[in-house]
Amino acid sequence: QKEVEQNSGPLSVPEGAIASLNCTYSDRGSQSFFWYRQYSGKSPELIMFIYSNGDKEDGRFTAQLNKASQYVSLLIRDSQPSDSATYLCAVAGGTSYGKLTFGQGTILTVHP
Amino acid sequence: ETGVTQSPTHLIKTRGQQVTLRCSSQSGHNTVSWYQQALGQGPQFIFQYYREEENGRGNFPPRFSGLQFPNYSSELNVNALELDDSALYLCASSPGQGAAEQYFGPGTRLTVT
Repeated sequence: QKEVEQNSGPLSVPEGAIASLNCTYSDRGSQSFFWYRQYSGKSPELIMFIYSNGDKEDGRFTAQLNKASQYVSLLIRDSQPSDSATYLCAVAGGTSYGKLTFGQGTILTVHP
Repeated sequence: ETGVTQSPTHLIKTRGQQVTLRCSSQSGHNTVSWYQQALGQGPQFIFQYYREEENGRGNFPPRFSGLQFPNYSSELNVNALELDDSALYLCASSPGQGAAEQYFGPGTRLTVT
């Protein structure tokens, strides 16, 4: 079992729709959860982080965390073509203190 | 506020050679982590440096080594390069050790032929 799992996609949504990206993790002691956006040929850009169970909203982005289910998600409202990128879920803490463990990323395509 | 910078941007080396990659952390950040990202994969943790000491290491052989300097900048050294070392090498800085938010530099694309 991979430590952090994401659907590789590609996930295709129409412009203006809600994109839902999901991630599960295996280390129950994990404490910190991050979403990075990576455009082709570029480095990852931190867009959201969440530490507590529940929802965290920032503009069009909402991160959701459920530690009991070991599940974290990212919702993108009013998706735009400029949101087309690979979204990486990363987990830290627990047995991997200080180290970010990444999923393989989900490719999101927003079509006009 | 200056972000994370890395040099060089691109590098081509021959198998068996040695390479040094450099990273300057974001202003106010004292922790630097290095990651290797192969094409189509998520970044893999190499090691982290906090106040000039190694503060955790991933599953990489000893030919991957590093340094952190008093100004918190860092180097990644790779000896005896192998073809599989071809990847994007990413440096990330954070304001403290542990599970803090990490901000990535632009990366160094290394090609080993």
